[in-house]
Amino acid sequence: GAVVSQHPSWVICKSGTSVKIECRSLDFQATTMFWYRQFPKQSLMLMATSNEGSKATYEQGVEKDKFLINHASLTLSTLTVTSAHPEDSSFYICSARYGPNTEAFFGQGTRLTVV
Amino acid sequence: SQQGEEDPQALSIQEGENATMNCSYKTSINNLQWYRQNSGRGLVHLILIRSNEREKHSGRLRVTLDTSKKSSSLLITASRAADTASYFCATVWMDSSYKLIFGSGTRLLVRP
Repeated sequence: GAVVSQHPSWVICKSGTSVKIECRSLDFQATTMFWYRQFPKQSLMLMATSNEGSKATYEQGVEKDKFLINHASLTLSTLTVTSAHPEDSSFYICSARYGPNTEAFFGQGTRLTVV
Repeated sequence: SQQGEEDPQALSIQEGENATMNCSYKTSINNLQWYRQNSGRGLVHLILIRSNEREKHSGRLRVTLDTSKKSSSLLITASRAADTASYFCATVWMDSSYKLIFGSGTRLLVRP
């Protein structure tokens, strides 16, 4: 299958700082990328859907000013957690797909710990 | 909640037995996909079934889809200890967003 690379795989940051997570589709053009958040032993909760060249669509309850998403090219999307707080600590996973009728491929996830 | 439901939440079986997981969803869908996740890792795509398909096979996996009941099932035959993982169904919504929404997941334990 196609490869989606997510970086970093883990990060520890101080409260109040910002963290950027990158998601790259390595061998295909991703017209759509998704960002999810996952708490321990729970399912993936969709945070936002990002289409290349347009603004991300955020799910209800997700603060767009806190979780900045940029999808500037067909192979790269970034999620920036701004002014991080301990409650933002979680596992963040990105996903990319070519089209709505195709499978989505997932990055390895980023474990964010805010101290 | 937009999230679909899966049952059982947890399943423990002996190696060699079959495992069946069920998924129910709420909206009209474009397709339904099943994924596997090992603890603390990314997700691996298993199978995609389109809304006009009723059954699909891939190796030891068999997926069914009943759009009238808004439900799907994943059957893993002749399970192995290496199948131990969490399994999620995910639906692609039939609207302009085509967003991918996950079910609650089933944690499968296959005992050697």
